[in-house]
Amino acid sequence: DQQVKQNSPSLSVQEGRISILNCDYTNSMFDYFLWYKKYPAEGPTFLISISSIKDKNEDGRFTVFLNKSAKHLSLHIVPSQPGDSAVYFCAASGQGSGDKLTFGTGTRLAVRP
Amino acid sequence: KAGVTQTPRYLIKTRGQQVTLSCSPISGHRSVSWYQQTPGQGLQFLFEYFSETQRNKGNFPGRFSGRQFSNSRSEMNVSTLELGDSALYLCASSFSAAGGSDTQYFGPGTRLTVL
Repeated sequence: DQQVKQNSPSLSVQEGRISILNCDYTNSMFDYFLWYKKYPAEGPTFLISISSIKDKNEDGRFTVFLNKSAKHLSLHIVPSQPGDSAVYFCAASGQGSGDKLTFGTGTRLAVRP
Repeated sequence: KAGVTQTPRYLIKTRGQQVTLSCSPISGHRSVSWYQQTPGQGLQFLFEYFSETQRNKGNFPGRFSGRQFSNSRSEMNVSTLELGDSALYLCASSFSAAGGSDTQYFGPGTRLTVL
């Protein structure tokens, strides 16, 4: 049972435009959400996170939006740059110590120059 | 501060063999988690160790095991390898907990190929 879903395996965006990556979850006990970026031959690197008490968190060009009622979160990248081309994973967990992180299957973003 | 290191980076084994992968967490981090990444499956959680104790375990067969040493370094062992075990194995460390709001930092992974 895939509790965290990224339904778009790939996304292609023109440089300078907005990239929107989506993620849905089914477990209502999740209350902390993260996005990781992964380049080939490297491990995932933490990008941005959001707690369920917020509906938006911003860090430079990256903004994560959380819609708890829809169990949906999205990552916006504005403006998109070629160096953003990577696989993006969303992940979710509870707030309890020892709650494991559950990852989605990833979305491959390609930013065209 | 040095990041998470994993050795070896690449490994080729044959079916039926066993393999041991190693992970050194970021200095001061006490939690180490292991994940398996295969195409189309994302990152599947294997297990998490904290202060030498397995705190959480994913849905993998008993052929997959691990341990953590007093210096927080961790090893993962896979016995009786199967073709389907071919994957990228990632290790992540965090200061306290694998879940919650404590960010996990990943190593570069070990690419295991089973022939």
